[in-house]
Amino acid sequence: GAGVSQSPSNKVTEKGKDVELRCDPISGHTALYWYRQSLGQGLEFLIYFQGNSAPDKSGLPSDRFSAERTGGSVSTLTIQRTQQEDSAVYLCASSVIGSQPQHFGDGTRLSIL
Amino acid sequence: TQLLEQSPQFLSIQEGENLTVYCNSSSVFSSLQWYRQEPGEGPVLLVTVVTGGEVKKLKRLTFQFGDARKDSSLHITAAQPGDTGLYLCAGPVYSGNTPLVFGKGTRLSVIA
Repeated sequence: GAGVSQSPSNKVTEKGKDVELRCDPISGHTALYWYRQSLGQGLEFLIYFQGNSAPDKSGLPSDRFSAERTGGSVSTLTIQRTQQEDSAVYLCASSVIGSQPQHFGDGTRLSIL
Repeated sequence: TQLLEQSPQFLSIQEGENLTVYCNSSSVFSSLQWYRQEPGEGPVLLVTVVTGGEVKKLKRLTFQFGDARKDSSLHITAAQPGDTGLYLCAGPVYSGNTPLVFGKGTRLSVIA
């Protein structure tokens, strides 16, 4: 498809397990972002990739969170040793370059039991 | 400190009413973007305003960028239930190729 694709759309896991969330950005978009959105809240910035530059990790809430972007395209957000407070919708977005309008996926709804 | 402050945080109105939501900052932005997010979906871009004083219209939605490029407003005329959603403003932190910063949004509910 032409849009940003995220998988899985829903993920339920037990506390303490690791999870991987995937994002396929729009082809040709050099910028990719991950956000977290808790119920009824705005967007919390997590991490930003721009081309081959070092990612901006300033929004990652703890060292249990990490992300990588392979080949300048697909990105994976990994949460290790999940906690109940990690439950949220994780949104991915991409844009042509960093300051341009962002195109969002529909998110992964993560529930930690 | 939130770089972009949106108000009100929540708004519930009857169908047919008019409303205005605000996005304010103490910083100057080269541009501001407005997004709408519906339940279960990601935010979708509505408009980008670039020039101070600029007004853009999208059907019943009117967007204005302040003269000093520190604030923006969204006015909806004759609101409809389909306007229900979370309205987010966003802008680049610095000029050039930098990521956007988002406000916390205004959650609008239009009751039929």
